[in-house]
Amino acid sequence: KAGVTQTPRYLIKTRGQQVTLSCSPISGHRSVSWYQQTPGQGLQFLFEYFSETQRNKGNFPGRFSGRQFSNSRSEMNVSTLELGDSALYLCASSSPGQGTSGGELFFGEGSRLTVL
Amino acid sequence: AQSVSQHNHHVILSEAASLELGCNYSYGGTVNLFWYVQYPGQHLQLLLKYFSGDPLVKGIKGFEAEFIKSKFSFNLRKPSVQWSDTAEYFCAVNVKAAGNKLTFGGGTRVLVKP
Repeated sequence: KAGVTQTPRYLIKTRGQQVTLSCSPISGHRSVSWYQQTPGQGLQFLFEYFSETQRNKGNFPGRFSGRQFSNSRSEMNVSTLELGDSALYLCASSSPGQGTSGGELFFGEGSRLTVL
Repeated sequence: AQSVSQHNHHVILSEAASLELGCNYSYGGTVNLFWYVQYPGQHLQLLLKYFSGDPLVKGIKGFEAEFIKSKFSFNLRKPSVQWSDTAEYFCAVNVKAAGNKLTFGGGTRVLVKP
C-alpha cells in the first residue's frame, strides 16, 4: 500500500511569491492534515480536511490556505511568501477520525520550502 | 487550547541504558495521546498510542508509555536502548471527538552512542 506522497519535495521561492504544495493520501484515507515544522516553533498544525471540507484550522494567517478534492488529494497554498515561511511542510492522512479515536496519522516525507 | 510540554530537548545515552522521556499536557477534557518518532532521514511515524483502557500501552520496537491521568502525563520508556533508537521523539495530544488535529510537544532528540 503506497504511503502519503508529497510534491514537490524541495522548492525555493523568493519573498512575495506564492507556492502550492500537493499531497496524495493513502488510498482509502479521507482525512488530510497539514503541519509546518521549523526548528524554532516545532510542529504546528495548519488545517485538516475531511470529505472536501475544512474540519479544523490552526492559528496561521489567511495567507495559508488549503483545499481537498473529491479523490481526497489535497493542496495547500501560501501566498505573499515571507522569509519566516521557510519550513518543512508535512502532510498526513488518516482514516476518518470520527468518534473518539482521532489522531493516528500517517505522514509524508514533506515539502521543504526555502524562501529567499 | 491544549498544550504539550516535553521535559528534555536533548538526551544522550549509551546502548543498553534505559530511556525515559517525559511528556505533560494541559487540557481539561478527554484526550487521545501519542508518541511519534522521526528517525534520521525518515518521515514522522507513530510509535504508540493511547485511546482508553489500560494506561500502560506498548508500541513498536520495545517502547511503552504510561498514562497518568492525575498528572496529565504520558511518559515514554524503553528498558534498553539500541543505537538504532537514535531519533527525535514527539509527544502529541488529540482532543477526543474533534477530528484528527494533533498538538505536538517540542520534541526530544535522543542520541544513543554505540
